[in-house]
Amino acid sequence: EDQVTQSPEALRLQEGESSSLNCSYTVSGLRGLFWYRQDPGKGPEFLFTLYSAGEEKEKERLKATLTKKESFLHITAPKPEDSATYLCAVSTSGTYKYIFGTGTRLKVLA
Amino acid sequence: DAGITQSPRYKITETGRQVTLMCHQTWSHSYMFWYRQDLGHGLRLIYYSAAADITDKGEVPDGYVVSRSKTENFPLTLESATRSQTSVYFCASTGQGNNQPQHFGDGTRLSIL
Repeated sequence: EDQVTQSPEALRLQEGESSSLNCSYTVSGLRGLFWYRQDPGKGPEFLFTLYSAGEEKEKERLKATLTKKESFLHITAPKPEDSATYLCAVSTSGTYKYIFGTGTRLKVLA
Repeated sequence: DAGITQSPRYKITETGRQVTLMCHQTWSHSYMFWYRQDLGHGLRLIYYSAAADITDKGEVPDGYVVSRSKTENFPLTLESATRSQTSVYFCASTGQGNNQPQHFGDGTRLSIL
């Protein structure tokens, strides 16, 4: 069965304290892995798409990487405005469905 | 403005009533999706649509009905609402192929008393 697992469930960081969020996946025929940011009361906002192992994408303080089994979202020198829930999703061949993890709630303290 | 809009943003209703959640997108995306988001479960797919007049069940379709007569609209109807359907509902869309990211509306928070 296709599955996506995110860890940790919650993470508290001091401002400037770098860390990584993990997204492990078990799917047959990965088509894409997607990272989203979700703020309270809002819908998920697209951040990155990764397609193949070894690929990396960067945006400001965020960097996403992909291996054959997992993806990491690295947050460098986070600021309080980076506080949000980060969601990971995958899409697979043979279906138009997307499978979401349950997210990591990130809190960055000033 | 281009985007995906959901209405209403908040809705309170009673068990047994019919309620329809609206979703409208301006990108002419082929694919549209309805999810519910509950604590501990993440986003769960209710229904999706590949094009006008083409819909299919997702993970949790029971108690819901969808239609898609126009590409830009994808309403979700709860025919006889139950308390277990209290949730936050998100609509999303994407262009051709599921190697593209989905774009989400800001959700409808539905409470069923």
